[in-house]
Amino acid sequence: EVQLVESGGGLVQPGRSLRLSCEASGFAFDDYALHWVRQAPGKGLEWVSGISWNSDNIVYAESVKGRITISRDNAKKSLFLQMNSLRPGDTAFYYCVKDTRGHIYGVFESWGQGTLVTVSS
Amino acid sequence: DIQMTQSPSSLSASVGDRVTITCRASQVISYSLAWYQQKPGRVPKLLIYGASTLESGVPSRFSGSGSGTDFTLTISSLQPEDVATYYCQNYNSALLLTFGGGTKVEIK
Repeated sequence: EVQLVESGGGLVQPGRSLRLSCEASGFAFDDYALHWVRQAPGKGLEWVSGISWNSDNIVYAESVKGRITISRDNAKKSLFLQMNSLRPGDTAFYYCVKDTRGHIYGVFESWGQGTLVTVSS
Repeated sequence: DIQMTQSPSSLSASVGDRVTITCRASQVISYSLAWYQQKPGRVPKLLIYGASTLESGVPSRFSGSGSGTDFTLTISSLQPEDVATYYCQNYNSALLLTFGGGTKVEIK
């Protein structure tokens, strides 16, 4: 069974940084692209960033480009999201999501339970 | 960006009704369209990809159709467990992964 477990969320002041992690199990981690998708409380879904199986291809949504860095450690079966210069508009649940292919394809097959990031003074 | 517009934003129907949700893309996206179901308090679940291919384990009362810019999600006979918000999503380009605004489905 695919399991994706996010951690690292919390309350942070505007302008500060936060690093999210996602630990994966139940599938061949280094065979699949991974993504972060966020959802503000009570709102819709927004794709944030994606990374290919070997980290050769990385993409970001325009709304976060320049402030966020996605990375992965295949040996540790982990995905990361470094978030800098956080804004109140970044407040959301952040989901770690498994793609159906190794390159960034964009079909979101499996989702973690999410970690809540709250940006507020 | 490719904009995805869903309609209606919400609907209320009776058990057993046929329910149709539409999704329109601002540009041609071929068949690169997925549908997700998010039940209250739960994480999203993949229902359909490739506009019409049912994900494994999804009940056959769900179906998808369309291509190009216009797509449809149909629930042939609405069940109480189908109460959820449904999202369409374009994946025509890895640089432009966008979701529709969602359609909330309730039981009348």
